Amino acid sequence: DTAVSQTPKYLVTQMGNDKSIKCEQNLGHDTMYWYKQDSKKFLKIMFSYNNKELIINETVPNRFSPKSPDKAHLNLHINSLELGDSAVYFCASSQDGAGPLGQFFGPGTRLTVL
Amino acid sequence: GNSVTQMEGPVTLSEEAFLTINCTYTATGYPSLFWYVQYPGEGLQLLLKATKADDKGSNKGFEATYRKETTSFHLEKGSVQVSDSAVYFCALSEWQAGTALIFGKGTTLSVSS
Repeated sequence: DTAVSQTPKYLVTQMGNDKSIKCEQNLGHDTMYWYKQDSKKFLKIMFSYNNKELIINETVPNRFSPKSPDKAHLNLHINSLELGDSAVYFCASSQDGAGPLGQFFGPGTRLTVL
Repeated sequence: GNSVTQMEGPVTLSEEAFLTINCTYTATGYPSLFWYVQYPGEGLQLLLKATKADDKGSNKGFEATYRKETTSFHLEKGSVQVSDSAVYFCALSEWQAGTALIFGKGTTLSVSS
């Protein structure tokens, strides 16, 4: 009965490859997010979707493309991977935007680009 | 713009010591404030929250009070345990659909027995 799940948990790949990370939430939330956590643990928003509509699209290279096939899923596709893309990527969901109920986070996907 | 500043770590304490992790914020409106905790190798868990001035959030012995006059939301615990070793993040949000959390840089807490 995992609330927010991500696959894979670990992803090791070569520079230049294309990869995807999948996220699913079973909380019935309307909003989903992708955050990036760098090597210094700093967390920054990348994208958010509300009812399958893109709401936030921060300054992220266009090699990153989110896709939300339905309210419960938000996937992240990354083209032409670069060394600097190595990080932990967290998916999150919330019912009320980023309001008082807070956001629920997945376990993270550790991406290592060689 | 909105921002969160929290004390740099690492914070190293002995078991049963008192913990304070400072957090201050800058916001244009009236944000909700949160503390999240990240245990080693895991995702973020919501530890506690407060939605308006003078609210006190509490959970697992941790407390934080929303102080509008000092724009602060300091995390405290009276007696830490080894199991509290983790990274703690202060965060804020303004309540709009799709609005993201804005995080501080995180404070690593290490508790030894």
